[in-house]
Amino acid sequence: QKEVEQDPGPLSVPEGAIVSLNCTYSNSAFQYFMWYRQYSRKGPELLMYTYSSGNKEDGRFTAQVDKSSKYISLFIRDSQPSDSATYLCAMSATRSGGSNYKLTFGKGTLLTVNP
Amino acid sequence: ETGVTQTPRHLVMGMTNKKSLKCEQHLGHNAMYWYKQSAKKPLELMFVYNFKEQTENNSVPSRFSPECPNSSHLFLHLHTLQPEDSALYLCASSQGAGGLETQYFGPGTRLLVL
Repeated sequence: QKEVEQDPGPLSVPEGAIVSLNCTYSNSAFQYFMWYRQYSRKGPELLMYTYSSGNKEDGRFTAQVDKSSKYISLFIRDSQPSDSATYLCAMSATRSGGSNYKLTFGKGTLLTVNP
Repeated sequence: ETGVTQTPRHLVMGMTNKKSLKCEQHLGHNAMYWYKQSAKKPLELMFVYNFKEQTENNSVPSRFSPECPNSSHLFLHLHTLQPEDSALYLCASSQGAGGLETQYFGPGTRLLVL
């Protein structure tokens, strides 16, 4: 079983739709969860991060973490064509004995929001 | 625009060539990273440098050789690559390499090995 599973899509929605992006994971040590957005021909940029379980909201974006189910989600409300990008989930766990931490990424979901 | 720059943006090389990728960060960070992004695969961490010292080598083949002369610059020297090494190579930096440090990515170098 892969450490992080993410449906690569592609996902195509009309403008204004609510978008739900998801990842599942198998490593129960993960406790930091992030969503990155990557536009075409650009590097990923951090969109949101959460620690442990719960919700976090930032404007039209809401990140949810359910550690009991090992499942994280990113919701985009009132989606816009400018939201069209690849969305990558990433996770990390404190590595014992060292100060470094390592991000484990999903494959990314390609989202297109049609005007 | 990102504070992490990468050159060249595109590179085509033969299997016998030697080339280098360059990354520069203008954010005053102390940690730098190389990642490989292949189609249909997750981002793969290759190397981590913290205060110019290599702290992570994620079982990367020796045909990839990193160099970090200072905290602002990171190189990836390439030699005798294989076609399966064709990918987007991303550089990132963060304030430190421990705890919850936000990583800032450059735009990447798109590499094609013929």
